[in-house]
Amino acid sequence: DAKTTQPPSMDCAEGRAANLPCNHSTISGNEYVYWYRQIHSQGPQYIIHGLKNNETNEMASLIITEDRKSSTLILPHATLRDTAVYYCIVIDGGSQGNLIFGKGTKLSVKP
Amino acid sequence: NAGVTQTPKFRVLKTGQSMTLLCAQDMNHEYMYWYRQDPGMGLRLIHYSVGEGTTAKGEVPDGYNVSRLKKQNFLLGLESAAPSQTSVYFCASSYQGGYTFGSGTRLTVV
Repeated sequence: DAKTTQPPSMDCAEGRAANLPCNHSTISGNEYVYWYRQIHSQGPQYIIHGLKNNETNEMASLIITEDRKSSTLILPHATLRDTAVYYCIVIDGGSQGNLIFGKGTKLSVKP
Repeated sequence: NAGVTQTPKFRVLKTGQSMTLLCAQDMNHEYMYWYRQDPGMGLRLIHYSVGEGTTAKGEVPDGYNVSRLKKQNFLLGLESAAPSQTSVYFCASSYQGGYTFGSGTRLTVV
């Protein structure tokens, strides 16, 4: 079973920041938080990952709470092309763990 | 780089027929995976491989077989297709936790 809990759907206005929450209250010390997204029926696409510190790349920012029990993916300026299902996944960084997908959050970016 | 390439992209099978789905990656990744995705669901792991010549079962392995004869290729076989195997199949490869997925194979069993 997936170790994460995400809202099933969210809406965001184009140009605004999209903040996608994820709860992972049972995360262990060596588990990373990964975010992937799936646009329509394409293969999932890697977005970002982190362990303890906040992370930022060209696609998004990842904010992890100090107790690591939850995190937020931030798309700073959402576009219509960001409409997708977003998956939050925890995986053991010490071994080559298998991604276990939940149902994710369906983000709809509206004009 | 092509990344992860899956063939074919679409296929319709009759119940009882067999087929092989091919996954090829050009990133020299050790780990490869086969997932299936049913409507409205997340991806579920069928089989995976941690290196050439090795395979292991995932969450939903029944009805499927796999082979990893070459590092760059991971084959998924259906010996006797059933309508319950109608799904979209995704292959992936990974290195240090970063996964790259193929574009999928849409399989319909009638």
